[in-house]
Amino acid sequence: EAQVTQNPRYLITVTGKKLTVTCSQNMNHEYMSWYRQDPGLGLRQIYYSMNVEVTDKGDVPEGYKVSRKEKRNFPLILESPSPNQTSLYFCASSLKGSGPYEQYFGPGTRLTVT
Amino acid sequence: TQLLEQSPQFLSIQEGENLTVYCNSSSVFSSLQWYRQEPGEGPVLLVTVVTGGEVKKLKRLTFQFGDARKDSSLHITAAQPGDTGLYLCAGEDMRFGAGTRLTVKP
Repeated sequence: EAQVTQNPRYLITVTGKKLTVTCSQNMNHEYMSWYRQDPGLGLRQIYYSMNVEVTDKGDVPEGYKVSRKEKRNFPLILESPSPNQTSLYFCASSLKGSGPYEQYFGPGTRLTVT
Repeated sequence: TQLLEQSPQFLSIQEGENLTVYCNSSSVFSSLQWYRQEPGEGPVLLVTVVTGGEVKKLKRLTFQFGDARKDSSLHITAAQPGDTGLYLCAGEDMRFGAGTRLTVKP
């Protein structure tokens, strides 16, 4: 089954404790991205990757890191989480990074930072 | 960055009513997409429009791309409770509007 998986689905952590949210896709997509979703603000792009070893900042990259060492994986790293990073996070993948290509989304990771 | 504004932000209607939601920008897009997101899930693509003036139908949903390719609308005929969700538009740069949250009451 073609899908994007994220883990964990739910995470409660404390300020400053490093964490990683994993994302994996099995569709051989070139493009992957991370979004955060907050009430009234829609989906805001954090980072994206056009292909392996190519990553770039989205609209809200502060406090986040990513890597794309393999085509299928695109982990999101929070080196020192803060309460303002409490949010719902989505990973997505697409065949290509620009144009009329469908984005496939993971099920989301709900992160709470206390 | 091409900004997308969606209106209304919230819409609550009775089953059987018709509705239209909008996605507007000052930028020209080569394509626009509409997604629906249900609670607890990621967004799912409904349609992609690529030609100015294009109209696409998906059962009771009608999507239109503006002639100038700066705006799009989604019209739902005879809304049903199953249409409840967050409707998002996105440009070819993979950026989204803030969405319209639709509630259809039985």
